[in-house]
Amino acid sequence: DTEVTQTPKHLVMGMTNKKSLKCEQHMGHRAMYWYKQKAKKPPELMFVYSYEKLSINESVPSRFSPECPNSSLLNLHLHALQPEDSALYLCASSHVLRTTNEKLFFGSGTQLSVL
Amino acid sequence: ELKVEQNPLFLSMQEGKNYTIYCNYSTTSDRLYWYRQDPGKSLESLFVLLSNGAVKQEGRLMASLDTKARLSTLHITAAVHDLSATYFCAVDRGGNRDDKIIFGKGTRLHILP
Repeated sequence: DTEVTQTPKHLVMGMTNKKSLKCEQHMGHRAMYWYKQKAKKPPELMFVYSYEKLSINESVPSRFSPECPNSSLLNLHLHALQPEDSALYLCASSHVLRTTNEKLFFGSGTQLSVL
Repeated sequence: ELKVEQNPLFLSMQEGKNYTIYCNYSTTSDRLYWYRQDPGKSLESLFVLLSNGAVKQEGRLMASLDTKARLSTLHITAAVHDLSATYFCAVDRGGNRDDKIIFGKGTRLHILP
């Protein structure tokens, strides 16, 4: 299994809603990432988890709350988002010790629209 | 701070032609990635380049890495319409750190039939 699975694929939410994005992988990767990508822009790193602990937070607003309940799962909890948060949210995973030809495996993303 | 610059940012070319996309980065890195992204889709890994002088080829795409110049190139040979996509290079320092992987702005490649 070389897939990173993200759900839902599409999400529309209001500014007062609470929702969660989910990401799952079964490749034994212990590093997991959230990226945000606006249209026609590169992916921007949000969070990195290493061995289920948050290791990098790129100054992301607190309305985004990541969670890594176990080595296969990564969640992104959303609360009180703004319309400018509308974007494609990509989850990725990799081995922490990135030797040889290790790479990031990306999920298909969640297209989020905040109304 | 690690910065990654790609050029050109947009490229329109005829089928059958050759062209090169360039990726420069600002600090020492021992790992460079090339990704492809189709509109509305996720990122597909093309190449991982690990060492100075590394060259990898897959079909009509060939990537190379010069760590001394902090430069990677993605060369397209005899382009075909199916290669139309956005191509990103990305850089990290790899090794034993769960480090940031920083993306360039991407090159939107449009191949005219």
